[in-house]
Formats: sequence, structure tokens, C-alpha cells
Amino acid sequence: QSALTQPASVSGSPGQSITISCTGTSSDIGSYNLVSWYQQYPGKAPKLMIYVASKRPSGVSNRFSGSKSGNTASLTISGLQAEDEAEYYCCSYAGSSTLVFGGGTKLTVL
Amino acid sequence: QVQLEQSGAEVKKPGASVKVSCKASGYSFTSNDLNWVRQATGQGLEWMGWINPNSGNTGYAQKFQGRVTMTRDTSISTAYMELSSLTSEDTAVYYCAKGGGDDGQLDYWGQGTLVTVSS
Repeated sequence: QSALTQPASVSGSPGQSITISCTGTSSDIGSYNLVSWYQQYPGKAPKLMIYVASKRPSGVSNRFSGSKSGNTASLTISGLQAEDEAEYYCCSYAGSSTLVFGGGTKLTVL
Repeated sequence: QVQLEQSGAEVKKPGASVKVSCKASGYSFTSNDLNWVRQATGQGLEWMGWINPNSGNTGYAQKFQGRVTMTRDTSISTAYMELSSLTSEDTAVYYCAKGGGDDGQLDYWGQGTLVTVSS
């Protein structure tokens, strides 16, 4: 299984919106709606932000939203805040009871 | 509240094995899969595999097959991940993470266990 492809970094100013893409193949993202997104601060464990491509767990801000089209999933953060600065990872079910992660995207809030 | 408490940091020599534990509390241990994910310093997340605590069934990423063993002890709500034939490339933080159901998400994570492989 090859890792999903994410941009290494994105940036935005407070109040703006940003989108992080996550590109897979027809064997993972393209075949299943089972895409999740995780936020990770340095030295901390990841935190689930989006699952099943667009659902938010209880307690996650509605500024975070997810979508999927074809082999690509996206995470959008609106109304950027300083606290959103973190690393973001996508993850997809890849069949045969396996998961695959993206390489991660560092979000910088300018 | 759901908690996953992992064992402490380990230092191992090349060729050795390491066994990391993950004690679950705050939910029914046998109701959800337990996954293991690792992260080398400055690198991304890498999924290693899962165990169904109820049945003991496991599934491993192809990269680790033959070298990883995931087990559980339901009497103490604890899962284990053992990795053998360690090399310096196995130096990483190892996380256990609770599966959220049939949707593939990992909804709660342990604090991580640093495994350092060094001669």
C-alpha cells in the first residue's frame, strides 16, 4: 500500500479558509467513503477531526469540514485560528481490513 | 471517559524484540478493534495493523507481516504489540488507537510509547 498524497505544507491568515487535499487511488479513497482526518500537535497523539469523509465527531468545531470526490478527499478549515496550526493527516480504508495514511500536511497560520 | 494507557519508553538493541502494552478503560474492551500506528521522529503516521479483542483476530500491514504480533488479554483489558528483528529504522513512537466502529476511524489514541533501537 502506498501512502496517500498530501501537500507538505499549507498556510493561511487568521479568518481565512484553507483546504488540504489528500489523493489516493481507486483501491482506497476511490472505492470507499471511509476517509478520516487527524490533527496532531508536536509531541502529542493525533486527534480525530473528520470521519466517513465528512462527519464530525462530537466536540469538533464546525469550522472543520470534509469532502470527497473520486480519488481525492479534502479537509477545509474555515475561519482560521492560531490554534489550528498543527499537522494534519488523512487516512483511508484500503480494503482487506487495512488502512493507509497520508504523509501529513503542516498548517501554518500566518 | 475512554482512556488508552500505554507502557513506558523502551531502548532495544538491533535484532531484539519489543512488546508494547495498551490498557483500555472507559468502554467495553471487546467491542472495538484496537489498531497500532507508529511515527518515526519528524515523519508521518504509519498504520501497522489491528486486533479484534473479542475474537483475537488480527490484520497486519504487509510491511510488518512476519515481524509483528498483536495479542490481547481480555481479563485486564490490555492489548499488546510485539515487533521483532528490530533495526534502527524501527525507532519511533508507537500508538495504540481504538477503532470507532465499521467506519475505519480511530477515535481515541494512547499517549504513545517511544521505542529506541540503538547499539
